[in-house]
Amino acid sequence: GENVEQHPSTLSVQEGDSAVIKCTYSDSASNYFPWYKQELGKGPQLIIDIRSNVGEKKDQRIAVTLNKTAKHFSLHITETQPEDSAVYFCAASPSGNTPLVFGKGTRLSVIA
Amino acid sequence: DADVTQTPRNRITKTGKRIMLECSQTKGHDRMYWYRQDPGLGLRLIYYSFDVKDINKGEISDGYSVSRQAQAKFSLSLESAIPNQTALYFCATSDSSGRAVNEQFFGPGTRLTVL
Repeated sequence: GENVEQHPSTLSVQEGDSAVIKCTYSDSASNYFPWYKQELGKGPQLIIDIRSNVGEKKDQRIAVTLNKTAKHFSLHITETQPEDSAVYFCAASPSGNTPLVFGKGTRLSVIA
Repeated sequence: DADVTQTPRNRITKTGKRIMLECSQTKGHDRMYWYRQDPGLGLRLIYYSFDVKDINKGEISDGYSVSRQAQAKFSLSLESAIPNQTALYFCATSDSSGRAVNEQFFGPGTRLTVL
């Protein structure tokens, strides 16, 4: 089955700097790659996703890139703000009938 | 997401007790999931259900059982709770129709402590 590795497990950045979180996956059939943000005391919420037919997707300060050949995808957050501090999870799914497989999460701290 | 509710939000119980965690959703989604979150281990799938008559084991189903009472309700039971089941439990839903078939919506979580 699918296996998703996520790095780093913790990340501290200064406010205004960029943050990058990387994930690798094992199943070449995976075609959907979402990123979730979990704030303290809340459930994870989808912030951006990408499908295998595109290499990059942006939404304001957040972008995701996908390299299908290397089987890795990354989350990029620019101009970080204190409210970006949270745990971020990547995930992958081989098909619409297969549940998401999650990485172990990255705790991002943005220092003001 | 307020459309997915979990009860209770917090529960402290003793070893050997039977516990039921409940999940309800008003999103009209057909698919529901139970995950467990432990520090450093991410979200691990316990059980999932693609419709009312469908139940599937996930990665860590041992010690757990589920019931899909209706399309909107999916409960998780611990038949005889043990301390290493202390964790944060999340319910999630998704919709098999439409383009975003994989997108999952999570409830607020239930923090379970087994003494």
